[in-house]
Amino acid sequence: GAVVSQHPSWVICKSGTSVKIECRSLDFQATTMFWYRQFPKQSLMLMATSNEGSKATYEQGVEKDKFLINHASLTLSTLTVTSAHPEDSSFYICSARDPRGEPQHFGDGTRLSIL
Amino acid sequence: SQQGEEDPQALSIQEGENATMNCSYKTSINNLQWYRQNSGRGLVHLILIRSNEREKHSGRLRVTLDTSKKSSSLLITASRAADTASYFCAIDSGTYKYIFGTGTRLKVLA
Repeated sequence: GAVVSQHPSWVICKSGTSVKIECRSLDFQATTMFWYRQFPKQSLMLMATSNEGSKATYEQGVEKDKFLINHASLTLSTLTVTSAHPEDSSFYICSARDPRGEPQHFGDGTRLSIL
Repeated sequence: SQQGEEDPQALSIQEGENATMNCSYKTSINNLQWYRQNSGRGLVHLILIRSNEREKHSGRLRVTLDTSKKSSSLLITASRAADTASYFCAIDSGTYKYIFGTGTRLKVLA
């Protein structure tokens, strides 16, 4: 079964709304999680590294004030897309590093559509 | 930035044929992984190969790694229509951050 749960799987909302996506590790403690973004027919682009108990590390070109990441517990990281606009519409996927070894475990993704 | 370049970008074959896709990268690696993604869905982990390994098998899948050429290949033998998907390599250079390749879209015709 799934070891990383991502919720919601699909969300549609109006422009200007903030949207929160959750990523949970189900049977292990994940000190490090990762957030990726994928546009249609393109690859996954790493957005940020989420570290439990500390600030996230963002990749170059990713707006940290736009994409707020909180990793308040060892099993939960959240990505909040603030004041979302149509150009933020994308497929967002999280992964969690398993301290027991590789590979990382990926969530099933969240399809975000901003109208 | 993308560290993995894959080719071909798209591949269309008949059922029963073999499919080969290649991944090239730029930095040293700790390990390299291959994933499958069906349209609009999450990732399915296929194989992990470590930097000190040259070849790994899993069922109909065969992965090779040539660190001197900074390249890896994924071979799917006796392909099936259900293998139709996008395939990505993911590179871990030792930081645990996975950098994904550009992907190969495979279509297997029944």
